[in-house]
Amino acid sequence: EAGVTQFPSHSVIEKGQTVTLRCDPISGHDNLYWYRRVMGKEIKFLLHFVKESKQDESGMPNNRFLAERTGGTYSTLKVQPAELEDSGVYFCASSFRTYTDTQYFGPGTRLTVL
Amino acid sequence: AQSVSQHNHHVILSEAASLELGCNYSYGGTVNLFWYVQYPGQHLQLLLKYFSGDPLVKGIKGFEAEFIKSKFSFNLRKPSVQWSDTAEYFCAVTSIYGNNRLAFGKGNQVVVIP
Repeated sequence: EAGVTQFPSHSVIEKGQTVTLRCDPISGHDNLYWYRRVMGKEIKFLLHFVKESKQDESGMPNNRFLAERTGGTYSTLKVQPAELEDSGVYFCASSFRTYTDTQYFGPGTRLTVL
Repeated sequence: AQSVSQHNHHVILSEAASLELGCNYSYGGTVNLFWYVQYPGQHLQLLLKYFSGDPLVKGIKGFEAEFIKSKFSFNLRKPSVQWSDTAEYFCAVTSIYGNNRLAFGKGNQVVVIP
């Protein structure tokens, strides 16, 4: 069974540019989560999809971040325009059920904003 | 909001030594508890989890953790570490009444010297 995949693995952009991160969850997993780890800090929740609906986006830092999950399969996270403080590792995770279920993580995308 | 505390962020020890990593959380309700591990160059993977039942949980690779409700703790242990246990270890918590979002500690970077 294929795991959670993320693309790209690394992205280096300049301040003010746009970047789109992609996550493909495990097939059949309705729940998809985005997390972020800024250097030196803990991994923090960004948002949660159930199928194509946003269940909870309370962790999104500001309106420069836009997440979508069209058709309830893969998800994209767009940062526009990127700022220096957006640098970090963005993780995606998926789970089958919402409650009491293990989340399986992707390898992460390391974003560097110069 | 839930918070998770992990101390001794950098741990260096020799092979065959015992390892114990502390995890304390602040949340008054019923929680699910996890330890994730990230080996160098790999993605986050689940080491073990506690939902209910026996508070002593056994995970992969000889790890175990004990849930002590009165102390709000979920400490991770391994009696004898190997060089291959070099990794970053994360404690995480979810509320069973929440949306399954994980609240992580800052992680413990563990280096095992051969």
